[in-house]
Amino acid sequence: NAGVTQTPKFQVLKTGQSMTLQCAQDMNHNSMYWYRQDPGMGLRLIYYSASEGTTDKGEVPNGYNVSRLNKREFSLRLESAAPSQTSVYFCASTPRDGEAFFGQGTRLTVV
Amino acid sequence: AQSVTQPDIHITVSEGASLELRCNYSYGATPYLFWYVQSPGQGLQLLLKYFSGDTLVQGIKGFEAEFKRSQSSFNLRKPSVHWSDAAEYFCAVGARRGGADGLTFGKGTHLIIQP
Repeated sequence: NAGVTQTPKFQVLKTGQSMTLQCAQDMNHNSMYWYRQDPGMGLRLIYYSASEGTTDKGEVPNGYNVSRLNKREFSLRLESAAPSQTSVYFCASTPRDGEAFFGQGTRLTVV
Repeated sequence: AQSVTQPDIHITVSEGASLELRCNYSYGATPYLFWYVQSPGQGLQLLLKYFSGDTLVQGIKGFEAEFKRSQSSFNLRKPSVHWSDAAEYFCAVGARRGGADGLTFGKGTHLIIQP
């Protein structure tokens, strides 16, 4: 199984540009998440989706939007990128009662 | 609100020595507890988890952790570290209902192994 797949792995954006980070899981998990990881800050939750058709804000949602396209896919969109959004982004999914499975991450630089 | 504290930002250990990484959590009920490891440039890999039952849990790569409710702690241990254990370690807490609202992570402990 592929598990959780994120694309792209690396991206450089100019300030003000938009982009969508893609995430797909093939484990039939209900819940999916987007985290960002910054040095010394651990992982912080941006948005999550407890089930298909629902999304909720996490700790740091400003500047982001999400779409739960179907049970497998959960995308994260930056409408107008800012340097403060330079980070490593991780997608994760969980079954009803279990640990989170993480993708390999997307390293985003906004210049 | 739930929170996780990892008091040590960096820890340096000699190869072959024992290791203990500290984790304290704040949560209103009995939580799900996790330890993840992250090698440079990689995603997070689950080392072990505690849901219920025996408070001493065994994980992969020779790691173990002990849940102490009275101390709100879930410290990670390994009797003898290897150079390949050098990585970032994250403790996390989640809600009983499967973490539908996500895990809360500590800020991580960077483990350095001296030869």
